[in-house]
Amino acid sequence: AQTVTQSQPEMSVQEAETVTLSCTYDTSESDYYLFWYKQPPSRQMILVIRQEAYKQQNATENRFSVNFQKAAKSFSLKISDSQLGDAAMYFCAYRSDTSGTYKYIFGTGTRLKVLA
Amino acid sequence: GAVVSQHPSWVICKSGTSVKIECRSLDFQATTMFWYRQFPKQSLMLMATSNEGSKATYEQGVEKDKFLINHASLTLSTLTVTSAHPEDSSFYICSAISWNKGTGQYEQYFGPGTRLTVT
Repeated sequence: AQTVTQSQPEMSVQEAETVTLSCTYDTSESDYYLFWYKQPPSRQMILVIRQEAYKQQNATENRFSVNFQKAAKSFSLKISDSQLGDAAMYFCAYRSDTSGTYKYIFGTGTRLKVLA
Repeated sequence: GAVVSQHPSWVICKSGTSVKIECRSLDFQATTMFWYRQFPKQSLMLMATSNEGSKATYEQGVEKDKFLINHASLTLSTLTVTSAHPEDSSFYICSAISWNKGTGQYEQYFGPGTRLTVT
């Protein structure tokens, strides 16, 4: 069975600085997707960034980028120029479409605090 | 586009009663919807996969008779918590899967969640 691990329960970053959130996963499949979701205090889940496993190039969305290391099964999120609005829970998630179920497996989350 | 709504956003019920939570895809059709449960400061736990026109698929450890799921149309799935007890108090989140033409991929769109408190 697939698992997703986030080893940092909480992280802090100074406003305008850069922070990296870690995520590792375990799977025997070769074709899958990885995601980072943000959950602010409103608790509405927001997609931050997506990475297809078959793509070697790391995904980038404005200030958000990932470091995808397929062999090491690592998928970290880098937030550059951190803003107060980035403060939230961040969840790493795995999805395999092999079975056609599109089920997502979420990590335990990392709470990000942004210090002014 | 791709908005998912949940109703109610917050509900309080007495122990022993049943409560129904609705999940609607407002501007798209969703053959597959998911129901998650989230305890305070914890991750999302998948409870079941709701498929339109067929029985829901429950995750291991989730009581089918307690959490009744009905996906009667392509835009509506309901979760009924039967004979609710205080330990059922939690935040319930639904999501819907839809094909995104822009990205050329299946995307998961989340509802805003429902806070259930059982007294």
